[in-house]
Amino acid sequence: EEQLLESGGGLVQPGGSLRLSCAVSGFSFSSYAMSWVRQAPGKGLEWVSDISERGASIYYADSVKGRFTISRDNSKNTLYLQMNSLRAEDTAIYYCAGRLAGRRSRFDYWGQGTLVIVSS
Amino acid sequence: DIQMTQSPSSLSASVGDRVTITCRASQGISNYLAWFQQKPGKAPKSLIYAASTLQSGVPSKFSGSGSGTDFTLTISSLQPEDFATYYCQQYYSYPFTFGQGTRLEIK
Repeated sequence: EEQLLESGGGLVQPGGSLRLSCAVSGFSFSSYAMSWVRQAPGKGLEWVSDISERGASIYYADSVKGRFTISRDNSKNTLYLQMNSLRAEDTAIYYCAGRLAGRRSRFDYWGQGTLVIVSS
Repeated sequence: DIQMTQSPSSLSASVGDRVTITCRASQGISNYLAWFQQKPGKAPKSLIYAASTLQSGVPSKFSGSGSGTDFTLTISSLQPEDFATYYCQQYYSYPFTFGQGTRLEIK
């Protein structure tokens, strides 16, 4: 069974940093591109960042560009999101999601999410 | 960026009803369109991809159609477990974008 388990969320002060992880099992991680998608409290879904199966191609939403860094370690079947210069508007549940390698592929798998709260 | 606009934003229906949700893209996305169901406190669940292909395990009461800029999700014979929020999402180009969601409530 496919499992994606996010961790690393928590309470952080504005301007602070946090590193999220997404541990994958049950499917071939190195054959999947991965994304982070977030959802602010009571709001809709917002795509944050995407990384290709080998990490060669990376994309960010304008709202996080220059502050967040996506990476992956295929030897550990783990996806990461380094979040710096955090703002109150970054408060959200962060989901990792997997899609088959390729330029236009849908999200097949989702984690259960980890909550990030940015507040003083 | 491609904007995805869903309508309606909320919808009240009764058990047994058939409902349709529409999603419009601000530019053509061929059929690179997915639909998700989300229940409170849960992760999104994939229902349909490529505009009309049912994800494995999703009941046939869910159906999708459309291509280009206009898409629909139809749910027939509503059951209590179908009341949730539904999102469309384009994966034609970056940044991937979602519709604002349609909240389906019990009348």
